[in-house]
Amino acid sequence: ELKVEQNPLFLSMQEGKNYTIYCNYSTTSDRLYWYRQDPGKSLESLFVLLSNGAVKQEGRLMASLDTKARLSTLHITAAVHDLSATYFCAVGYGGSQGNLIFGKGTKLSVKP
Amino acid sequence: GAGVSQTPSNKVTEKGKYVELRCDPISGHTALYWYRQSLGQGPEFLIYFQGTGAADDSGLPNDRFFAVRPEGSVSTLKIQRTERGDSAVYLCASSLAGATYEQYFGPGTRLTVT
Repeated sequence: ELKVEQNPLFLSMQEGKNYTIYCNYSTTSDRLYWYRQDPGKSLESLFVLLSNGAVKQEGRLMASLDTKARLSTLHITAAVHDLSATYFCAVGYGGSQGNLIFGKGTKLSVKP
Repeated sequence: GAGVSQTPSNKVTEKGKYVELRCDPISGHTALYWYRQSLGQGPEFLIYFQGTGAADDSGLPNDRFFAVRPEGSVSTLKIQRTERGDSAVYLCASSLAGATYEQYFGPGTRLTVT
């Protein structure tokens, strides 16, 4: 059974600081996704990582994937308040390739 | 273009009742997924359709849950004999049947069973 673990689950940051969220998964997969969810809202796709060594950046967020270590990271650079949200990683699983297994999410709070 | 839409946005029902939740995927997306999300948790996979057929229904918790997609577009998730433990946000997502399988999520239906 595939398990996806994120840490930390809660993160309080000051504006301007850097931090990294980690996503570990237990079995082989070649697809990893990062989503953002604001309170009471649905999930917004941030990144799709499809190969070992993949790195993608959008604004202050950068995601990477190491399939050998079964690890993805989401790095936040110079955090701003607008980044406050819950961030989920999800791993593609199953022969149909349609099933996503989500982590529990990291609730990020960026304070002035 | 229009995103994934779900109706109703909120549904309150009594224990034991039957409910239907509807999902309209993005036009042209052949794959459709249902997830449910409990408070403070990540979405939990329920079922995946490719076209009209259920390609993977391994996430349905029991036989009270059933989903259909008769014409390969709109899907309905049906829950019989609802229980308080069914209370959650039910999310629908759709995607193209391509290499990335990027899933686009709808706003969800908040189901409350009293």
